[in-house]
Amino acid sequence: GAVVSQHPSWVICKSGTSVKIECRSLDFQATTMFWYRQFPKQSLMLMATSNEGSKATYEQGVEKDKFLINHASLTLSTLTVTSAHPEDSSFYICSARAPYAVIPGLAYEQYFGPGTRLTVT
Amino acid sequence: GENVEQHPSTLSVQEGDSAVIKCTYSDSASNYFPWYKQELGKGPQLIIDIRSNVGEKKDQRIAVTLNKTAKHFSLHITETQPEDSAVYFCAAILSISSGSARQLTFGSGTQLTVLP
Repeated sequence: GAVVSQHPSWVICKSGTSVKIECRSLDFQATTMFWYRQFPKQSLMLMATSNEGSKATYEQGVEKDKFLINHASLTLSTLTVTSAHPEDSSFYICSARAPYAVIPGLAYEQYFGPGTRLTVT
Repeated sequence: GENVEQHPSTLSVQEGDSAVIKCTYSDSASNYFPWYKQELGKGPQLIIDIRSNVGEKKDQRIAVTLNKTAKHFSLHITETQPEDSAVYFCAAILSISSGSARQLTFGSGTQLTVLP
């Protein structure tokens, strides 16, 4: 249980285009999803927190108009990188949090997706 | 807010030896401490966690200890194997009842290399 998927696993796009990344909780309902980005050899940096049916909360320094987040259902959140530039190239990881114990003993915590490698040329 | 420090940043051990990674946290209210293993090109995977009402937890070759007074917790891996090689992240959070959207605060990560 507690499986989170991301699609695509990797994407290459040209500068100026937009890219959408999907995050799905496959076997549980996620009232909250988190989006992170990770640069090589660094820790995860939280970009935003999204709750199903409401607007995402962005961390300081993250442009909400550039990184559009939609959490339309209890199992799906999307991150759209608009007008992507080479500096947006990174590893994007989502996580999902259930409001109940998905796995006994590991209640209320986050389960991470496999990540999406974005390369902007 | 919470601040989590993790040491060492890199750790090399011989296969079969033990590995210990340590983290300290700043917010005494934090009550949940997960550890994640991240392999190259993959997302973090939860490997073990501990709550503040417990001092130690073990799962086969992996154990975590927590010292609330000193505000530090450690990951212990015994009988290390080459497949244990990965980046390990500790994290801390104030985990409360459902409906909360509090986020994890991660340590900076430890690159563990198990030499065959």
